[in-house]
Amino acid sequence: AQTVTQSQPEMSVQEAETVTLSCTYDTSESDYYLFWYKQPPSRQMILVIRQEAYKQQNATENRFSVNFQKAAKSFSLKISDSQLGDAAMYFCAYRSMIFANTNAGKSTFGDGTTLTVKP
Amino acid sequence: NAGVTQTPKFQVLKTGQSMTLQCAQDMNHEYMSWYRQDPGMGLRLIHYSVGAGITDQGEVPNGYNVSRSTTEDFPLRLLSAAPSQTSVYFCASSSTRDSPTEQYFGPGTRLTVT
Repeated sequence: AQTVTQSQPEMSVQEAETVTLSCTYDTSESDYYLFWYKQPPSRQMILVIRQEAYKQQNATENRFSVNFQKAAKSFSLKISDSQLGDAAMYFCAYRSMIFANTNAGKSTFGDGTTLTVKP
Repeated sequence: NAGVTQTPKFQVLKTGQSMTLQCAQDMNHEYMSWYRQDPGMGLRLIHYSVGAGITDQGEVPNGYNVSRSTTEDFPLRLLSAAPSQTSVYFCASSSTRDSPTEQYFGPGTRLTVT
């Protein structure tokens, strides 16, 4: 079974600074997807960024970027120019390929990192 | 386009009662999932479905039943509620045609079992 570990239960960053959230995972699959989701106090799950394992290029979405190290099974999220609205719980998630023989599209989430942004 | 909707938003049950959490999506997504989120933890997969008529168990299926008679709906049934099932429940859907397959989440149902 796949596992996802977020080793930082809480992180804080000064507004306008950069912060990196860590995520490691374990899998025997060679193709899969990785995601970062944001969950504000409203509870709504919001997709931040996604990465396909077969792509070597790291994904970037505006101020959000990832450092994907497939061999090390590491998938960290970097938030640049942090804003007050970035304060939330962030979840790293692994998803098997939809048409995998087993685990068909099943997702595994880490326990989350609570990010505080200080003004 | 309402996306993924869940009802009710809040529910209080007594131990032993049964109920159904409703989930519907209007995006014609084949894939649907149910998760639970306990305090301080991530989402854990309860059951999932790759299409109408097909369901399978996730990580924590005990005490829950699902069925998928239509593409749009994926209800979750609690057979005999227990305090350990107090949690926030999320339904999610995704297309099997897009890559990578982003999941769209409903707003969640907060369930308390006393």
